[in-house]
Amino acid sequence: GESVGLHLPTLSVQEGDNSIINCAYSNSASDYFIWYKQESGKGPQFIIDIRSNMDKRQGQRVTVLLNKTVKHLSLQIAATQPGDSAVYFCAENRGSQGNLIFGKGTKLSVKP
Amino acid sequence: EPEVTQTPSHQVTQMGQEVILRCVPISNHLYFYWYRQILGQKVEFLVSFYNNEISEKSEIFDDQFSVERPDGSNFTLKIRSTKLEDSAMYFCASGTEYSNQPQHFGDGTRLSIL
Repeated sequence: GESVGLHLPTLSVQEGDNSIINCAYSNSASDYFIWYKQESGKGPQFIIDIRSNMDKRQGQRVTVLLNKTVKHLSLQIAATQPGDSAVYFCAENRGSQGNLIFGKGTKLSVKP
Repeated sequence: EPEVTQTPSHQVTQMGQEVILRCVPISNHLYFYWYRQILGQKVEFLVSFYNNEISEKSEIFDDQFSVERPDGSNFTLKIRSTKLEDSAMYFCASGTEYSNQPQHFGDGTRLSIL
């Protein structure tokens, strides 16, 4: 079906290591993608976005990579910190539609 | 930094009762959304709202649901006759553009139907 999904439901990393969270999408009409972080008891918090005319976008300690050939999106977090522990969702925006389609989420746990 | 605020943080209601969830979007935003998240599941789109009318709605948003912007700051979601399966976190979001711009979310209202 057409959906945004995630390869791994959980990811555990050592503090200071880099984290990579992956996401697959199936609709080639999607042209805008967002990564959100959700901490316990809170709403999704915007991290970084990317449009389909780009392959890579960098923020502070985060990088999003978009591979349109295989319909794959990834979020890289450099020097992962305990405060990065949360559930991470990718979301896609399909063309002229306003609604976001969310993936299932990956829970990132950072070990001290 | 401006944020979306939602009240109440937790609402407990008897099945069959009406409930209104309230949101104050970011002040210069024009596009408003409601999403829900059943415990442990992904966030699901309910409805989008612009210029005082619904722009899009999902299959979840049936006749029991309605939205309203009663004044210049509030955006509400009403569930007319709640069912047990309406128990979920309900998130309000707002944005400056209809698409291709991030939507900013509130911290949600946890709705528990008894």
